[in-house]
Amino acid sequence: QLVESGGGLVQPGGSLRLSCAASKFTFSTYWMSWVRQAPGRGLEFVANINPDGSETSYVDSSKGRFTISRDNAKNSLYLQMNSLRVEDTAVYYCARRIMTPLFDPRGQGTLVIVSS
Amino acid sequence: DVVMTQSPLSLPVTLGQSASISCRSSQSLVHRDGNTYLNWFQQRPGQSPRRLIYKVSNRDSGVPDRFSGSGSGTDFTLKISRVEAEDVGVYYCMQGTQWPGTFGQGTKVEIK
Repeated sequence: QLVESGGGLVQPGGSLRLSCAASKFTFSTYWMSWVRQAPGRGLEFVANINPDGSETSYVDSSKGRFTISRDNAKNSLYLQMNSLRVEDTAVYYCARRIMTPLFDPRGQGTLVIVSS
Repeated sequence: DVVMTQSPLSLPVTLGQSASISCRSSQSLVHRDGNTYLNWFQQRPGQSPRRLIYKVSNRDSGVPDRFSGSGSGTDFTLKISRVEAEDVGVYYCMQGTQWPGTFGQGTKVEIK
C-alpha cells in the first residue's frame, strides 16, 4: 500500500515536501519513484531512488529543484520540491519499482497546485 | 527520451466486441538484460493508474484474461476481447527499459 500526502496550494517559487507512506511490502528492497499527472494530461516520471537511497535520478524538468529521498526505517519516500513553477501543478503519485512500476490501486495521489 | 506513440487516441467500442490499442516506441525496448520492459496501465476517472500487463505480455494478478499484450522491439498491442462496461477508462503504454520511463499519450476507451 502507498499513501501520498503533503500536497497543497503554493505560490510560484515556493516549496513543498511530499511524503509517501509504504506498507505491506518490504519497502527497503525496492526502487521507488515519483510520477506526476498534470490536470487532464498524461503521466510523467519525476524522480527515482534505489533501495538504500544512495542513487537518485531526475528528469530534466525537476533537476536542481526537486530532491527525492527515503527513510527505510520509517517505510517512507519523500519529494522535496523547491522553486515551484505553475507547470509543476499535478497530482503526484509514488510508485514501487521503476521498470515495471506499481501504483496503489486505491491511491489518490496528492495534488499540488502552483498558483499566485 | 524514448517517445511512446499510441493509436488510436479515442476508441469507441461496442459491449462484447474486441478492441486493440497500438503502441510504438522511438527505439527498441529490449534491455541489455534481455527483457522488454513494456507495460500497460488502465486509469479510470479519479483513480490511480492500475498496471494490467508488464514486460509485454504478463498479466497482473486479478486482471481478467480478456486483456492480453503482445509485440516486440518497437511495436506493441493491447487487446481487450469481449469489452465490458468496467473497461471504460484511459489506457497507457509505458516503457521502463530506459530512464526516464515514458508513457504514451493515452487511449480513451468508451462504450458506443
